[in-house]
Amino acid sequence: EAGVTQFPSHSVIEKGQTVTLRCDPISGHDNLYWYRRVMGKEIKFLLHFVKESKQDESGMPNNRFLAERTGGTYSTLKVQPAELEDSGVYFCASSRQGRVPPRLREQYFGPGTRLTVT
Amino acid sequence: AQSVTQPDIHITVSEGASLELRCNYSYGATPYLFWYVQSPGQGLQLLLKYFSGDTLVQGIKGFEAEFKRSQSSFNLRKPSVHWSDAAEYFCAVNDAGGTSYGKLTFGQGTILTVHP
Repeated sequence: EAGVTQFPSHSVIEKGQTVTLRCDPISGHDNLYWYRRVMGKEIKFLLHFVKESKQDESGMPNNRFLAERTGGTYSTLKVQPAELEDSGVYFCASSRQGRVPPRLREQYFGPGTRLTVT
Repeated sequence: AQSVTQPDIHITVSEGASLELRCNYSYGATPYLFWYVQSPGQGLQLLLKYFSGDTLVQGIKGFEAEFKRSQSSFNLRKPSVHWSDAAEYFCAVNDAGGTSYGKLTFGQGTILTVHP
């Protein structure tokens, strides 16, 4: 099966501009997560979708970040307007949901989108 | 809130030497623990996981990890390192058990350099 894909792989934008990151999870995975790693820091959770619903968005830094998952398939993460501190690598991950044992509910990660705000 | 600590930011070993990467966690309940590896240009790949049962878990690529509740540790080991093991390694804990599946909390990562 195809893995988690993310687009673009790298984005360079100026402060104040808007950027939209896209994540395509593994087919059939209802759970979709966004994480971010700022340079030199640990990978941090941003939010979690179950199908099209936001299950947990406690990690979203502020209202400049907007995540959507229309139809419960792919997801987008928009940053508007971008600030310098938004630079980092944004990871998407997906996992199964439903009546599967915890042992099977591992998260599969995409390669990440490296965002550079100048 | 749970937390994960990887005390070593960077480790260098010679090819063929043994490896141990440290991970300590702080979590109130029984944790679900993971080790991921990220090679340059790649996404995070799951090496192994611990949910319950045998505290010594085997993973891919010859890695293993041991869960020690008394020490709140989940150290990753490999008896003989290969040059292709050079990568960044992340320890993570899942904050939900039962029927739900929650977010991962990661350690800071350990960069492994392998000398020939």
